[in-house]
Amino acid sequence: ILNVEQSPQSLHVQEGDSTNFTCSFPSSNFYALHWYRWETAKSPEALFVMTLNGDEKKKGRISATLNTKEGYSYLYIKGSQPEDSATYLCAFATDSWGKLQFGAGTQVVVTP
Amino acid sequence: GAVVSQHPSRVICKSGTSVKIECRSLDFQATTMFWYRQFPKQSLMLMATSNEGSKATYEQGVEKDKFLINHASLTLSTLTVTSAHPEDSSFYICSAAGTGGTDTQYFGPGTRLTVL
Repeated sequence: ILNVEQSPQSLHVQEGDSTNFTCSFPSSNFYALHWYRWETAKSPEALFVMTLNGDEKKKGRISATLNTKEGYSYLYIKGSQPEDSATYLCAFATDSWGKLQFGAGTQVVVTP
Repeated sequence: GAVVSQHPSRVICKSGTSVKIECRSLDFQATTMFWYRQFPKQSLMLMATSNEGSKATYEQGVEKDKFLINHASLTLSTLTVTSAHPEDSSFYICSAAGTGGTDTQYFGPGTRLTVL
């Protein structure tokens, strides 16, 4: 079983502040790294699929970076808003078959 | 993104009964569907991978005779929990994808199963 670790487990952010959190994964057998946002009672929403070392992706105020050599990815939220409150999941793929190993998530709570 | 529905959203059943959960991709043809299970405060754990028209591939430790998966079309996969027991109580969620590890997986909203 591969270990995908996410830290912190949860964090509280004041509206308007920026924040970031980490996903760590085994640096060997890397194929792709996925990020999802999961709001309560909804379906997980795909944010990014990252494949290249040094890659950086952006979607609105959310961005992510990838370091495959050291096995980590950061997700950044700039100017947090209450609607950013969700659990953010990362998932690691080791091959092209699509099987994902998920981390336990980082729960973000943005307070007005 | 693509829409995946899952039904039912919540089910309570008696021990020993079977429960069927449906996963439908509403606006695209899913070559592959995945079934995950999540226990409280744990991560999503892949149970099985199903491809349309072929037998599902189960992860180590998942009983294929207990968790029957049928992927009869490119838009529908079903998971049947047979002879459910309280330890099968969990959150089950499906995802649908095209092909490949870089393809985005589109998730359903999940099914909360409680076995009494």
